[in-house]
Amino acid sequence: DVKVTQSSRYLVKRTGEKVFLECVQDMDHENMFWYRQDPGLGLRLIYFSYDVKMKEKGDIPEGYSVSREKKERFSLILESASTNQTSMYLCASSLFRGLRETQYFGPGTRLLVL
Amino acid sequence: TQLLEQSPQFLSIQEGENLTVYCNSSSVFSSLQWYRQEPGEGPVLLVTVVTGGEVKKLKRLTFQFGDARKDSSLHITAAQPGDTGLYLCAGVRGADGLTFGKGTHLIIQP
Repeated sequence: DVKVTQSSRYLVKRTGEKVFLECVQDMDHENMFWYRQDPGLGLRLIYFSYDVKMKEKGDIPEGYSVSREKKERFSLILESASTNQTSMYLCASSLFRGLRETQYFGPGTRLLVL
Repeated sequence: TQLLEQSPQFLSIQEGENLTVYCNSSSVFSSLQWYRQEPGEGPVLLVTVVTGGEVKKLKRLTFQFGDARKDSSLHITAAQPGDTGLYLCAGVRGADGLTFGKGTHLIIQP
C-alpha cells in the first residue's frame, strides 16, 4: 500500500512565523502535490513537483514556497504565516500523470495561525 | 480555469434510501475521478471514468461519465451509514494534475 505521511496532524503558529510542513511518500512516486482545503472552497492546488528539485506553481501559490531535495520528500513553506493561511493542508503523490493519474493523499495537517 | 460544480452541497438521508450527486462543468475533461474523504483523513480514490457515456459500478455505487465528457454522476443504492463522507469529483487537466469540485457532504442516518 502507498503511504503518504505528513509531519503533524495539528499545528498552531503565530502570525509572522516561518512554518514548515513536511510530506513523505514511500512508493517512489515522481509526482507530489500540496493542496489546501477550506470549507466552501474545496481543494485548491498550491504547488506541485514532477521531479527532484523542480516545482511548478498551482492555482494559489502566493505566500507559499516549496522544496524537493529528495524524491520522497516534498516540503511546503510559509515564509511569514498569516491568519488567512489557517487551513487544512493536504499532500498527495502519484505515479502517473494525465489520464490514469491516481493521487494518494496524506491525512492532512490542520494549521491554525493566531 | 476549468471549474467543476458539485450538487447538492449537503445531503442527509435515511439508511436504505437511494441518492444521486452530480458533478458538472462547462469544460471537457480527458477523464474524471471520484474520491471519498472521511473526517480527519485525506481523500481516497473510488473510480476513474475515461470514455464519454462510460458507466462503472462499485458494489452499491454507480458512476457515469456524460457523453460529452463534461459531467458525471454518482448514484448510491440503498445507502448505508458507512457511506457517510465528503464526495469529491476531480477532473484530470492533462499533465498538470487535478481540478477538484467543492464536494458533497453526505450523511446517512441509521
